[in-house]
Amino acid sequence: AQSVTQLGSHVSVSEGALVLLRCNYSSSVPPYLFWYVQYPNQGLQLLLKYTSAATLVKGINGFEAEFKKSETSFHLTKPSAHMSDAAEYFCAVSRDTGRRALTFGSGTRLQVQP
Amino acid sequence: NAGVTQTPKFQVLKTGQSMTLQCAQDMNHEYMSWYRQDPGMGLRLIHYSVGAGITDQGEVPNGYNVSRSTTEDFPLRLLSAAPSQTSVYFCASSYRGGGASDTQYFGPGTRLTVL
Repeated sequence: AQSVTQLGSHVSVSEGALVLLRCNYSSSVPPYLFWYVQYPNQGLQLLLKYTSAATLVKGINGFEAEFKKSETSFHLTKPSAHMSDAAEYFCAVSRDTGRRALTFGSGTRLQVQP
Repeated sequence: NAGVTQTPKFQVLKTGQSMTLQCAQDMNHEYMSWYRQDPGMGLRLIHYSVGAGITDQGEVPNGYNVSRSTTEDFPLRLLSAAPSQTSVYFCASSYRGGGASDTQYFGPGTRLTVL
């Protein structure tokens, strides 16, 4: 079975500060990993995904994530937070077997203070 | 392209009522799925389909039915609504028959309240 753990249900940063959202996965086989963002009252939008081509993945809106197999982590970062980054962020994992559906973490709500 | 569309956006039901949540996509995606989102639990898979005429159960299928008669549409039926089905429901689709590396595209969601 595969699972995803997001540490911290709420993260608050100041505008211009580093954003770090943590995600750890458990999977018996190499996974595909995703970060999605959900703005209030909207659906989910893909930020970036890891599909084994490169361990450092760059996404939209200045976000990036690094796949670290030894730590089973896929943390999301952004060097400088903007007010528009306030949203809920979900880490998700999928595999090439079984349902091939996404297994989501519980989400992290990012608050950006002026 | 409209992408993934869902109707209705909001719905209130009484316990025991039935209804169908509609989902359509115009991207010719083979794979479609339904998730429910509950506070603090992320999204959980209800049912999915890898193509017209093929459906299967996800993580939380009880109380829901699906069918896939066309590539475009994937309706979700609540047979007898219960308060535990109060949630936000998202439909998603992806391209290559649900290849695990595929990006899934999500609809805007249906917020359902069961009284």
